[in-house]
Amino acid sequence: GQQVMQIPQYQHVQEGEDFTTYCNSSTTLSNIQWYKQRPGGHPVFLIQLVKSGEVKKQKRLTFQFGEAKKNSSLHITATQTTDVGTYFCAGNFNKFYFGSGTKLNVKP
Amino acid sequence: DGGITQSPKYLFRKEGQNVTLSCEQNLNHDAMYWYRQDPGQGLRLIYYSQIVNDFQKGDIAEGYSVSREKKESFPLTVTSAQKNPTAFYLCASSIATGNTEAFFGQGTRLTVV
Repeated sequence: GQQVMQIPQYQHVQEGEDFTTYCNSSTTLSNIQWYKQRPGGHPVFLIQLVKSGEVKKQKRLTFQFGEAKKNSSLHITATQTTDVGTYFCAGNFNKFYFGSGTKLNVKP
Repeated sequence: DGGITQSPKYLFRKEGQNVTLSCEQNLNHDAMYWYRQDPGQGLRLIYYSQIVNDFQKGDIAEGYSVSREKKESFPLTVTSAQKNPTAFYLCASSIATGNTEAFFGQGTRLTVV
């Protein structure tokens, strides 16, 4: 069946350092979404990428969709303690398949 | 105040009992989903529904059942056949299945003792 793999599982950074999480699919995706789940909370939608090679930015967050539409990345520049949480990608195969998530911890 | 509501937030049940988790949305969304999240894990799809009176199994449907009699409601029953039911359950909805964002409820943490 469809699978969406996400790495790394955990990332610990010092405040101010950059962070990147990667998402890979075994099959071509129609689109990919990114969500953030704060500790004890529920996933909240961040962004959706649809086009091959698409790049979108939200302040310090940069999202990329691969040319083959099989991989994606989320990069955070100069992390802050408010960035703490788990970041999930979700590939859409007519229903949302979530990656295993990358848990980000930011030390002040 | 539109949104998706799950209740209760915490639920305790004895082993061998069925339990039903509530999920209601007033967003007028056609699609609804149930996910299970275990500690440190991602979200695994249990069931989803694209429209009223229709639902499909996800990857881990065994031991669970759902109904979709109303557009607003998608309750999940965790049956005694579910071998390891203790988990965090998340309900979500979207305008349709496809390229639309999912809105999540606050989740129900089920503990079976």
